[in-house]
Amino acid sequence: GAVVSQHPSRVICKSGTSVKIECRSLDFQATTMFWYRQFPKQSLMLMATSNEGSKATYEQGVEKDKFLINHASLTLSTLTVTSAHPEDSSFYICSARILETQYFGPGTRLLVL
Amino acid sequence: GDSVTQMEGPVTLSEEAFLTINCTYTATGYPSLFWYVQYPGEGLQLLLKATKADDKGSNKGFEATYRKETTSFHLEKGSVQVSDSAVYFCALSEGGGYNKLIFGAGTRLAVHP
Repeated sequence: GAVVSQHPSRVICKSGTSVKIECRSLDFQATTMFWYRQFPKQSLMLMATSNEGSKATYEQGVEKDKFLINHASLTLSTLTVTSAHPEDSSFYICSARILETQYFGPGTRLLVL
Repeated sequence: GDSVTQMEGPVTLSEEAFLTINCTYTATGYPSLFWYVQYPGEGLQLLLKATKADDKGSNKGFEATYRKETTSFHLEKGSVQVSDSAVYFCALSEGGGYNKLIFGAGTRLAVHP
């Protein structure tokens, strides 16, 4: 149980385009999901907390107009990287919470050319 | 603020050696503690957790005991395998309905035959 999926697993896009990443909890409902960014050989940086039916809470320094988060249902949250630039290239990981435990998706590797 | 400190890696061991990865934390309340493992190119998998003092989390031969007096949650395994090679993250969650995870920097483990 407690499986979280992400789609796509890997995406390459041109600079200036937008990319949407989906995060789904497959066998449970999650009122809260989290989005992280991970740079090579580094720890995870929390970007935002996504709450079903309400606006996401962004961490300090994360541009909410650039990283759009939508949590329209109890099993789906989406992260849209708008007007992507090469510096947005990274590994994006989502998680979904059950009580005090977060379960992570497999990650999405984004490469912006 | 809350923080997690892990021993720096990489840790290099021979197969069947004993493993210890140190983790200490700073928290104002009574956090839950976690170890996550990340295999190359993948997201994080929950390895084990402990939610209160003196609890021992265990899974796949790994163990960690929540030590409030020393604010530690060291990860141990009696006999490592090549397949244990990965990055290990210690994390805490303050709970209280928000459950934001604070991660350590991660410790890379390499096990050689």
